[in-house]
Amino acid sequence: QKEVEQNSGPLSVPEGAIASLNCTYSDRGSQSFFWYRQYSGKSPELIMSIYSNGDKEDGRFTAQLNKASQYVSLLIRDSQPSDSATYLCAVCLFYGGSQGNLIFGKGTKLSVKP
Amino acid sequence: DAGVIQSPRHEVTEMGQEVTLRCKPISGHDYLFWYRQTMMRGLELLIYFNNNVPIDDSGMPEDRFSAKMPNASFSTLKIQPSEPRDSAVYFCASSRQGAWADTQYFGPGTRLTVL
Repeated sequence: QKEVEQNSGPLSVPEGAIASLNCTYSDRGSQSFFWYRQYSGKSPELIMSIYSNGDKEDGRFTAQLNKASQYVSLLIRDSQPSDSATYLCAVCLFYGGSQGNLIFGKGTKLSVKP
Repeated sequence: DAGVIQSPRHEVTEMGQEVTLRCKPISGHDYLFWYRQTMMRGLELLIYFNNNVPIDDSGMPEDRFSAKMPNASFSTLKIQPSEPRDSAVYFCASSRQGAWADTQYFGPGTRLTVL
């Protein structure tokens, strides 16, 4: 059973602080890693993708990947109230051809307090 | 671009009735995905298509669920007969490449309630 685990939260941080969201996955062969943001009552939208070990930065967001530890994280710097949402970690295993499955964690709810 | 379009946005039905959910992917996207989201189980992949061909339907819960993609611009997810445990939000998503390499764009979802 392939699993993606996230702390459900809620994670509460003050405005301007760094929010740190974590995710672990069970399948060592996983190759692609994504963070989606989902506002309440809305659909998920991609904010970051990462494919190799290390850090990837995009504006206030930094994704970190450690395949040896099977660990993915998302850092949000200078958190804003508008960042309050549920963050879904997704992990993909590519089987070849056109086959590959994206498995989502249940998400971490982030609340940024003004 | 209009994005992924789903209909209906809300559906309330009674147990035993047939339910059909519809999806129009983004033009030019070769992959289409159907997901189900509940509080208990999170976001689960039900089935996905590549160039209108079903590739993996291992997430379809049981024979009551079926999905079709008759052409590149239309897909349906059918539940017959529906049961209360099918109540969930059903999302359709599309992408240019497979899930391992590309952004998936989600539709607004269909909130299904089975009484």
